[in-house]
Amino acid sequence: EDQVTQSPEALRLQEGESSSLNCSYTVSGLRGLFWYRQDPGKGPEFLFTLYSAGEEKEKERLKATLTKKESFLHITAPKPEDSATYLCAVQSSGGYQKVTFGTGTKLQVIP
Amino acid sequence: NAGVTQTPKFQVLKTGQSMTLQCAQDMNHEYMSWYRQDPGMGLRLIHYSVGAGITDQGEVPNGYNVSRSTTEDFPLRLLSAAPSQTSVYFCASSQQNQETQYFGPGTRLLVL
Repeated sequence: EDQVTQSPEALRLQEGESSSLNCSYTVSGLRGLFWYRQDPGKGPEFLFTLYSAGEEKEKERLKATLTKKESFLHITAPKPEDSATYLCAVQSSGGYQKVTFGTGTKLQVIP
Repeated sequence: NAGVTQTPKFQVLKTGQSMTLQCAQDMNHEYMSWYRQDPGMGLRLIHYSVGAGITDQGEVPNGYNVSRSTTEDFPLRLLSAAPSQTSVYFCASSQQNQETQYFGPGTRLLVL
């Protein structure tokens, strides 16, 4: 059974204090790993898709990386508007390609 | 484009009542899914559809029905609401096989 574990559950950063969020996964054939951002009371918003180990993608202050067992979301010099819950999900290959979500990391960036 | 829309935004039901959560998308996506999100748990797939007229069960389908008569609409029906169905429900669509899903704003359901 596919599993996704995100850590930490919550993270509090000062504005400008860089850090990383972790997503560990086990999947029977990885088709893709996704990062989403979710603001309170809203639906998840797509950030990145990573397909193979060694791949990296960047968007503004966010950078996602992927290894065979985990993914990191690096946040460089965060701003208060980066405060949100960040969700990681994996999609397995074969048949209907089910997506399994982690429980998320709630990030708070303090001015 | 409105993207993915869901109605209602919030609903209170009594145990045993039935209702339909509406979901529509205007991106001509073939794939649509319903998830529920509960505290401390990841999004869990309820039902999904790979095209008009085709639906299948996800991880937690019991107590829910779906149909897909058009590409745009994918309603979720609660047959007889139970307190365990208190949750936030999200509809999502994607162009290809679940790559880059676009989520609606959610429906918050409280079953008393």
